Amino acid sequence: KAGVTQTPRYLIKTRGQQVTLSCSPISGHRSVSWYQQTPGQGLQFLFEYFSETQRNKGNFPGRFSGRQFSNSRSEMNVSTLELGDSALYLCASRPGVDSSTDTQYFGPGTRLTVL
Amino acid sequence: AQTVTQSQPEMSVQEAETVTLSCTYDTSENNYYLFWYKQPPSRQMILVIRQEAYKQQNATENRFSVNFQKAAKSFSLKISDSQLGDTAMYFCASGGFKTIFGAGTRLFVKA
Repeated sequence: KAGVTQTPRYLIKTRGQQVTLSCSPISGHRSVSWYQQTPGQGLQFLFEYFSETQRNKGNFPGRFSGRQFSNSRSEMNVSTLELGDSALYLCASRPGVDSSTDTQYFGPGTRLTVL
Repeated sequence: AQTVTQSQPEMSVQEAETVTLSCTYDTSENNYYLFWYKQPPSRQMILVIRQEAYKQQNATENRFSVNFQKAAKSFSLKISDSQLGDTAMYFCASGGFKTIFGAGTRLFVKA
């Protein structure tokens, strides 16, 4: 099976702009989670989508949003970008039926730089 | 609330030696898995090993094994015969309603 793919791999934006990141999960996986990774804060959970519905949400402002399509592909949007949004954004997929026991499989990440 | 703590920000080990990475966790889930993920400098996060909490037997994957102490909520990773390719960031994670990751331990394997 193909792994989790994320596009684009690198992105440079300026403050105030908005950005959309895309994630295609492993075939058959219905859950997609998004994480923000920074040197100072580590891996922080943004949100999880399962069957087109947001199932879990982390503690991020409303500028961070997401959605999931019927084919389980997911997009994450960040509006009004701030310098502090510069990070590696990781997407992870899993079957999603049992959150407690599923293993997450990660994509390569999108490196976002905000200037 | 679920928490995962990795108290060793950085470690180093000589090639071919054994190293143990520590992790403690707290969860209110009754049925859960614990995971160790590896993130090499190329940044692709990959699963190293996972442990089912209801199993007392410690999981083993080739050179990687865990020491799971459920009562103490401890879940350490042992890497035997360390190789240069083991150099990476290692994250401990607790699966549940949300998967919670520790802050990570950066491991350097020296030649």
